[in-house]
Amino acid sequence: QVQLQQWGAGLLKPSETLSLTCGVFGGSFSGYSWTWIRQPPGKGLEWIGEINHSGSTNYNPSLKSRVTISVDTSKNHFSLRLSSVTAADTAIYYCARTTTTVVTPTSVAASLDYWGQGTLVTVSS
Amino acid sequence: QSVLTQPPSVSAAPGQKVTISCSGSSSNIRNNYVSWYQQLPGTAPKLLIYEDNKRPSGIPDRFSGSKSGTSATLGITGLQTGDEADYYCGTWDSSLSARVFGGGTKLTVL
Repeated sequence: QVQLQQWGAGLLKPSETLSLTCGVFGGSFSGYSWTWIRQPPGKGLEWIGEINHSGSTNYNPSLKSRVTISVDTSKNHFSLRLSSVTAADTAIYYCARTTTTVVTPTSVAASLDYWGQGTLVTVSS
Repeated sequence: QSVLTQPPSVSAAPGQKVTISCSGSSSNIRNNYVSWYQQLPGTAPKLLIYEDNKRPSGIPDRFSGSKSGTSATLGITGLQTGDEADYYCGTWDSSLSARVFGGGTKLTVL
């Protein structure tokens, strides 16, 4: 059974860098993309970005200038760094596995089939 | 403002059926596959439907998905109090080159 376990600092000051890591246990690391999602308190889901096992990334255009997602295949870990945080970055951050089941020249089917437990990150002075 | 539009809330009685809509555009729903997620209070989201209408192992057939044009629909039959949750649709947006979600729909089982 695949399990994702995430960890990192939960309280930051404005302008600091958020850093979270997600460990993948019980399944293959290759052949999938690894994703970060966030959810502000009481609000909906926002995709931050993803990385595949070879290190190719896709980022949310609205966060791209501040986000770095990296992967360590030797440890089955992937990480998120978000720089220059503000109160607007306060959210529960989730890691997830993205499984792509259909890829054609015109369409993609990809779903987030396993999720971490979530980490509440609060940005406050 | 979410790229995909869902009703904020729906409600129905136990045993009844409910549908949740997800409206998008040709750059997302029409040309890419939709997945649906259930988020029980205080927990991480869980995959309910993938590739528009397929259920992962362990998801009961009370949950179904469909798609037509630029809209997708999640259906839940035989409602149970344990189905009370927030439900999100999601897909890839080819114009934004980003994964997008609906704003979420809160299901209340009266």
